Amino acid sequence: DAGVTQSPTHLIKTRGQQVTLRCSPISGHKSVSWYQQVLGQGPQFIFQYYEKEERGRGNFPDRFSARQFPNYSSELNVNALLLGDSALYLCASSLGDRVSEAFFGQGTRLTVV
Amino acid sequence: GQSLEQPSEVTAVEGAIVQINCTYQTSGFYGLSWYQQHDGGAPTFLSYNGLDGLEETGRFSSFLSRSDSYGYLLLQELQMKDSASYFCADSWSGDKIIFGKGTRLHILP
Repeated sequence: DAGVTQSPTHLIKTRGQQVTLRCSPISGHKSVSWYQQVLGQGPQFIFQYYEKEERGRGNFPDRFSARQFPNYSSELNVNALLLGDSALYLCASSLGDRVSEAFFGQGTRLTVV
Repeated sequence: GQSLEQPSEVTAVEGAIVQINCTYQTSGFYGLSWYQQHDGGAPTFLSYNGLDGLEETGRFSSFLSRSDSYGYLLLQELQMKDSASYFCADSWSGDKIIFGKGTRLHILP
């Protein structure tokens, strides 16, 4: 069985641009959560979706949005990119809406220049 | 505010035992999860405590005390490959999932 897959693995964008990151959960997992991780820090929670509905939102500006599709894959969109958005973006899937055991993808490394 | 506090760094000797503590202050605490992350890698799940007490998985054990808002991860028979960052996380605090800042574990030969 494939694990959580994220695409792309690396991305370079210019300030002000928009970016879309993609995540495919483990088969059978209905919950996807997104995190931002900067070097030396723990993952910061951005969103959680369960059964295609938003279940939680972290302290991120409205420039960040996400959605979950009928096949439970998910996209994270970030508009009007800032230099400070440069980070590793992680997606995790879990069976239920309580994320007691999350399986992470390898992440998308976003660099904003 | 909501937070999980853990030491930034811990150093131990190969073959020894090390304990990584985590204290939390979160509303709607659900349970405590632990993750390991090697440099350049993704976090991988280690253990979860939904109830008070000890959970054991091979060389790793985790403990939770809700009355003390405290938990720990215990690693036994340390191996060099255990050198990594370790994160505790509140698996569901209201509408957020909160991670600690991580503990960097250094293992000496």
